[in-house]
Amino acid sequence: EVQLLESGGGLVPRGGSLRLACEGSGFSFSAYAMTWVRQAPGKGLEWVSAITGGGITTYHADSVKGRFTISRDNSKNTLYLEMNSLRAGDTAVYYCAKGMYNMDVWGKGTAVTVSS
Amino acid sequence: QSALTQPRSVSGSPGQSVTISCTGTSSDFADYNYVSWYQQHPDKAPKLIIFSVNKRPSGVPDRFSGSNSGNAASLTISGLQPEDEGDYYCFSYAGNYAVFGGGTKLTVL
Repeated sequence: EVQLLESGGGLVPRGGSLRLACEGSGFSFSAYAMTWVRQAPGKGLEWVSAITGGGITTYHADSVKGRFTISRDNSKNTLYLEMNSLRAGDTAVYYCAKGMYNMDVWGKGTAVTVSS
Repeated sequence: QSALTQPRSVSGSPGQSVTISCTGTSSDFADYNYVSWYQQHPDKAPKLIIFSVNKRPSGVPDRFSGSNSGNAASLTISGLQPEDEGDYYCFSYAGNYAVFGGGTKLTVL
């Protein structure tokens, strides 16, 4: 069964840092681009970052550019999101998803709360 | 990178059809092969229901269909079922960025 499992969320002070991880299983992880999507409480989906299968090319939304970094370790079938200089507006459930154009498998999400 | 524009809500009775529109700029829809739609039920992860404008993943009923015209994409749900109630999001990958629509809440009356 194809699965994605996020971890690393939690409560962090404003200006702090956090690293999210997403472990994939049941598919050839390195063959697929991966994406992070977030959803603030009561709000819609927001595309955050994406990375190609080999990890060479990355993309970030303007709202996180310069603060967040997406990366992956294909030897561990794991996707990462390094988040720095966190703001209240970054409070959300963070989902990882398989794919870049069409995200066909999603994790259950990990919650990040930035406290003031 | 503004969100694509969707109606905030739509509704319909069981058996009826509803259409959800999704509009953006010509840059947002640079390649319609990269337009997809997602269904989300409360406290659940999103689910892919349409990709490449009008293709359905395995297991998605053919009641769901997609189309495009100009700088807009549409999702049509025919023969509404109670389980179709939820939030729907369009998504477009535009080359060096991607963007979701603001989301549409579908109510099945």
